Amino acid sequence: AQSVSQHNHHVILSEAASLELGCNYSYGGTVNLFWYVQYPGQHLQLLLKYFSGDPLVKGIKGFEAEFIKSKFSFNLRKPSVQWSDTAEYFCAVSPVNYQLIWGAGTKLIIKP
Amino acid sequence: EAQVTQNPRYLITVTGKKLTVTCSQNMNHEYMSWYRQDPGLGLRQIYYSMNVEVTDKGDVPEGYKVSRKEKRNFPLILESPSPNQTSLYFCASRPGLRETQYFGPGTRLLVL
Repeated sequence: AQSVSQHNHHVILSEAASLELGCNYSYGGTVNLFWYVQYPGQHLQLLLKYFSGDPLVKGIKGFEAEFIKSKFSFNLRKPSVQWSDTAEYFCAVSPVNYQLIWGAGTKLIIKP
Repeated sequence: EAQVTQNPRYLITVTGKKLTVTCSQNMNHEYMSWYRQDPGLGLRQIYYSMNVEVTDKGDVPEGYKVSRKEKRNFPLILESPSPNQTSLYFCASRPGLRETQYFGPGTRLLVL
């Protein structure tokens, strides 16, 4: 069965540290890839997405993600995190003609 | 303003008392979904709809019903709520199967 794996359920970093959140999926065909963010008490918002083209995509608030097809990965990165990045981050994958498959989420806590 | 709205935002009820959570989108999207979010489990899809009068089960449909009589509305019905349905519920819509999903603000449900 198709699945999306987010390796870390909780990540704690200090401000200005670099961030990388892992996302791997198990599907061999063409996919669309998404990262969503949920700030405390708020609904999910799109952070960035990859449909085709340049595998390095840039999103809002300085986030970026790189699609590595050979590794079935779509890791989220930010070079220098801020306290306001404290949130839960969800990776989602959409294979052709199939519903979105969600990862379990990673809770990110930034210490001021 | 393009948005997905849900009502109510917060609800406390008792076991067995039927309830409906409404969801409405003003973006003329074809696809709508209901999710529940539980700690450590991420987002799990309850039901989805690909168009008016077309609905299908997601990963956790037991105890829920939906209807799609109009394109903009997709209510979630709990005929006989139980405590294990205490959760945070999100409605979402998107224009196409592989497109960006837009989320409502969430409904926090407590079943006593």
